[in-house]
Amino acid sequence: EVQLVESGGDLVQPGGSLRLSCAASGYSFNNYWMHWVRQAPGKGLVWVSRLNEDGTITSYADSVKGRFTISRDNAKNTLYLQMNSLRAEDTAVYYCARDVGGVGSLWGQGTLVTVSS
Amino acid sequence: DIVMTQSPLSLPVTPGEPASISCRATQSLLHSNGHHFFDWYLQKPGQSPQLLIYWGSNRASGVPDRFSGSGSGTDFTLKISRVEAEDVGVYYCMQALQTPYTFGQGTKLEIK
Repeated sequence: EVQLVESGGDLVQPGGSLRLSCAASGYSFNNYWMHWVRQAPGKGLVWVSRLNEDGTITSYADSVKGRFTISRDNAKNTLYLQMNSLRAEDTAVYYCARDVGGVGSLWGQGTLVTVSS
Repeated sequence: DIVMTQSPLSLPVTPGEPASISCRATQSLLHSNGHHFFDWYLQKPGQSPQLLIYWGSNRASGVPDRFSGSGSGTDFTLKISRVEAEDVGVYYCMQALQTPYTFGQGTKLEIK
């Protein structure tokens, strides 16, 4: 079965750090761009970051640039999002997604990050 | 950034009736390869978003043919020929022409 499974979401204090993981299975992970998209409680979808197939090209939303880092380990079929200097406004469900904007778009079920003291 | 504006934001529909959602971008989404980098997604209650339409008018795998996408340049439309109960949720348009990718505000479809 083709699927993406996120993990790592948690309650963290403002200024803290967290690393999200996304395990891919059922397809050739290293053939696709990967993305992170987030959704604050009761709000719409916001694109966060993307990474190309071999991990050499990255893009970030301005709101997370300099604080978040996207990376991947193709040997482990896993995508990561390192989140530093977290703020209350980063509270959201974080979705890992394959090929956003392409034919093979696929999303995980999401992992909740709550930033609060 | 490209701004995506959807209308309406709320759409009550009687089962069996048609429905239509519009989305407008602040600049053309036509890529040099001839495709419009524009998608429609549906987020059913309690679920993650699922791709309905890619490149403006192509149905994703497994999407019923009652869903259709049309449009070009900056203006796009999603049509549902006959709404079914399982179609409830929030519909989002999205542009992938340039980063940051941006989504519309979402249109909540509910059954009357």
